[in-house]
Amino acid sequence: DGGITQSPKYLFRKEGQNVTLSCEQNLNHDAMYWYRQDPGQGLRLIYYSQIVNDFQKGDIAEGYSVSREKKESFPLTVTSAQKNPTAFYLCASSKGIKGTEAFFGQGTRLTVV
Amino acid sequence: KQEVTQIPAALSVPEGENLVLNCSFTDSAIYNLQWFRQDPGKGLTSLLLIQSSQREQTSGRLNASLDKSSGRSTLYIAASQPGDSATYLCAVYAGGTSYGKLTFGQGTILTVHP
Repeated sequence: DGGITQSPKYLFRKEGQNVTLSCEQNLNHDAMYWYRQDPGQGLRLIYYSQIVNDFQKGDIAEGYSVSREKKESFPLTVTSAQKNPTAFYLCASSKGIKGTEAFFGQGTRLTVV
Repeated sequence: KQEVTQIPAALSVPEGENLVLNCSFTDSAIYNLQWFRQDPGKGLTSLLLIQSSQREQTSGRLNASLDKSSGRSTLYIAASQPGDSATYLCAVYAGGTSYGKLTFGQGTILTVHP
């Protein structure tokens, strides 16, 4: 089945640690996105990538880093510089051509303990 | 900077009612607008995609319209059911200098009670 897989579903991090969230897609999509969602809030864009080996900062990129070495994968690292990392993280992808539909994974809930 | 606003923030209706959710955006340089549904603790499910050249799209009991020049979209849900209870989000796919950026509104929390 084609789709977007995020792992793990739940992640706990100690303060001061870096953690990496996985996002894999088998839809052959060029564009991939990372969003953060806080309780009762909409989605805020962290990073997005239109093509392999290229990515752009979104609205809240500070304290996060990404890589796009493969078309299928767009991992997000939450660094110790992110002061309030507890949130629900969502990954999405689309064909990347203007006007195409975006699809989402099931999310990773990150909690700092 | 593109900003997307959804009104109302929350809506509670009895089963069977027809309802309208609103979405507005500040920059009309968009390629499409997409409506999503989100159940608690879950990812987003795509409902309807409207290209910038289109005026509306329909899927079952859902109808979405787009007025690009005025920066508005509406999602119409006919004959609402308790299973429609969820958060509804709209998102615009940017053109211009923000090409490829997908920007979301804050969502409307819909509750349909029996």
